[in-house]
Amino acid sequence: AQTVTQSQPEMSVQEAETVTLSCTYDTSESDYYLFWYKQPPSRQMILVIRQEAYKQQNATENRFSVNFQKAAKSFSLKISDSQLGDAAMYFCAYRPGANSKLTFGKGITLSVRP
Amino acid sequence: GAGVSQSPSNKVTEKGKDVELRCDPISGHTALYWYRQSLGQGLEFLIYFQGNSAPDKSGLPSDRFSAERTGGSVSTLTIQRTQQEDSAVYLCASSSQGAWGEAFFGQGTRLTVV
Repeated sequence: AQTVTQSQPEMSVQEAETVTLSCTYDTSESDYYLFWYKQPPSRQMILVIRQEAYKQQNATENRFSVNFQKAAKSFSLKISDSQLGDAAMYFCAYRPGANSKLTFGKGITLSVRP
Repeated sequence: GAGVSQSPSNKVTEKGKDVELRCDPISGHTALYWYRQSLGQGLEFLIYFQGNSAPDKSGLPSDRFSAERTGGSVSTLTIQRTQQEDSAVYLCASSSQGAWGEAFFGQGTRLTVV
């Protein structure tokens, strides 16, 4: 069974600082897809960034980047220059194949201090 | 439509009643997911439809829960004989076929069983 673990329920960061959110997963697949989603108080889930397992280069989207460690099955999200609008719940997600089920971790609540 | 549409946005029902929650996915999306999110918690997978394949129902918590997807488009999640523990936000998502099929989420239906 594939599982996604986000062990930190909450984190806090000072505005303009950098924060890293952790995620680990368990799989026997060699190729798969990993995602980070953001859920602000509005409840609307938004894709932040994604990574394909066979691509060794870490994905980057503006202030968001990932540290993908395939051997360690780790997929952490780094948010640089944190902004008040980054405050939300963040979910790590895993998909084993192109047309497969998307499995989420329990999420982490990020607060940003002004 | 422009996005995934769920209705109703809020539903209050009496314990023991049946409820139907509707999801209109993005046109052309072959995959459709239902998730349940209790207050401040993670996303619990319920069911996954992919094209004409048999749905993955492995997340349905009991036989009171069922879902169907008609014509490969609209989906209805039905909860029979609702219980108070069924109170949650029910989220629907759809994605296109293929490796990078990003899952787009609706705003969810907040179900309250009184």
